[in-house]
Amino acid sequence: DAGVTQSPTHLIKTRGQQVTLRCSPKSGHDTVSWYQQALGQGPQFIFQYYEEEERQRGNFPDRFSGHQFPNYSSELNVNALLLGDSALYLCASSPRGGGASYEQFFGPGTRLTVL
Amino acid sequence: AQSVTQLGSHVSVSEGALVLLRCNYSSSVPPYLFWYVQYPNQGLQLLLKYTTGATLVKGINGFEAEFKKSETSFHLTKPSAHMSDAAEYFCAVRHLAAGNKLTFGGGTRVLVKP
Repeated sequence: DAGVTQSPTHLIKTRGQQVTLRCSPKSGHDTVSWYQQALGQGPQFIFQYYEEEERQRGNFPDRFSGHQFPNYSSELNVNALLLGDSALYLCASSPRGGGASYEQFFGPGTRLTVL
Repeated sequence: AQSVTQLGSHVSVSEGALVLLRCNYSSSVPPYLFWYVQYPNQGLQLLLKYTTGATLVKGINGFEAEFKKSETSFHLTKPSAHMSDAAEYFCAVRHLAAGNKLTFGGGTRVLVKP
């Protein structure tokens, strides 16, 4: 059983560019959450998708957007990249709408470097 | 706003010694509590969680944590450190009233000395 997968593993972009990160949830999971982990810090919640809609959003600007597909996979898009967007982006999946008692399973992350 | 504080960004222990990682949260309502471990260049792996019931929770790799409501704490312990325990550890909380997002502490990096 494959766990949460993310692509690409690493990415280098320049300021002002746009980037798309991808996530496939664990089999049987229908809810995907995205987190940003800056170097030396804990992960910060970006948003959560369930039934192809954004259900909850953290304190991130509109430059951060997402999408969920009918097969439950998800994309994170970041426009007008800033140096401060350099981070490890983690995707987490959970079952049944991500109810509070359900564990979130994390992928290995995508390391984004903005030059 | 809920917050999570992990005391000590770095902890150094000798192999075979007790590992103690501290976590305090701010909330008037007990949240769901989690400890995750992150090995270099990897994602997060759940060590253990507290939702309801017994306040002493046992997890994987010999770790356990105790929820103390009066102290708003959820400290992580392991009686005897192993070299493979070298990693970064994150405490996280989830409040039903705040939806399903996890709020993480800043993390504690554990170094195990032979």
